[in-house]
Amino acid sequence: GENVEQHPSTLSVQEGDSAVIKCTYSDSASNYFPWYKQELGKGSQLIIDIRSNVGEKKDQRIAVTLNKTAKHFSLHITETQPEDSAVYFCAASRGGSQGNLIFGKGTKLSVKP
Amino acid sequence: NAGVMQNPRHLVRRRGQEARLRCSPMKGHSHVYWYRQLPEEGLKFMVYLQKENIIDESGMPKERFSAEFPKEGPSILRIQQVVRGDSAAYFCASSPAAGTDIYGYTFGSGTRLTVV
Repeated sequence: GENVEQHPSTLSVQEGDSAVIKCTYSDSASNYFPWYKQELGKGSQLIIDIRSNVGEKKDQRIAVTLNKTAKHFSLHITETQPEDSAVYFCAASRGGSQGNLIFGKGTKLSVKP
Repeated sequence: NAGVMQNPRHLVRRRGQEARLRCSPMKGHSHVYWYRQLPEEGLKFMVYLQKENIIDESGMPKERFSAEFPKEGPSILRIQQVVRGDSAAYFCASSPAAGTDIYGYTFGSGTRLTVV
């Protein structure tokens, strides 16, 4: 079945630096790739997503890139702030009538002031 | 819009008891998804329901687990005869009616089940 690998599992950066989290997926039919931010004691919040018809998407300090040939996608956070500290999950899905997302194991990002 | 509401936030059960987790989708959403998150793990899909129908239960354990989404009221994830391995955070998500499918997925804050 579909498998999503996420790296690194933990990431520590200084405030103002950039953070990059990478994911690979196995199902070539996947066409929807969201990223979720999970803060302690809270549910996961969608922060950005990308669909297979685009290679890059940007929203302020957050960007996601997708390489369908290599089957990997990445989250880039620039000018990191302490409030960016959280666990980030990538996911992949075939979309369409199938509802389930396949998640990576998460990356715990710590931004040090 | 109150978002996806899950209750209780924390649930403690003794081994062998039943656990009932409730999820009220966002207003206007008719698709509900349940995920389980074990410590140090990502979310694992369990079941996908629409009103009165189970669409995909491929992630549900074959025994002791069941889910429903009645015409009226919240979706219920039921775990019978709980064991320590059931301790996890259970998250519910909802999405709008057919046509948007999983886009617009919104998660609730989760129920943390502890089996003692």
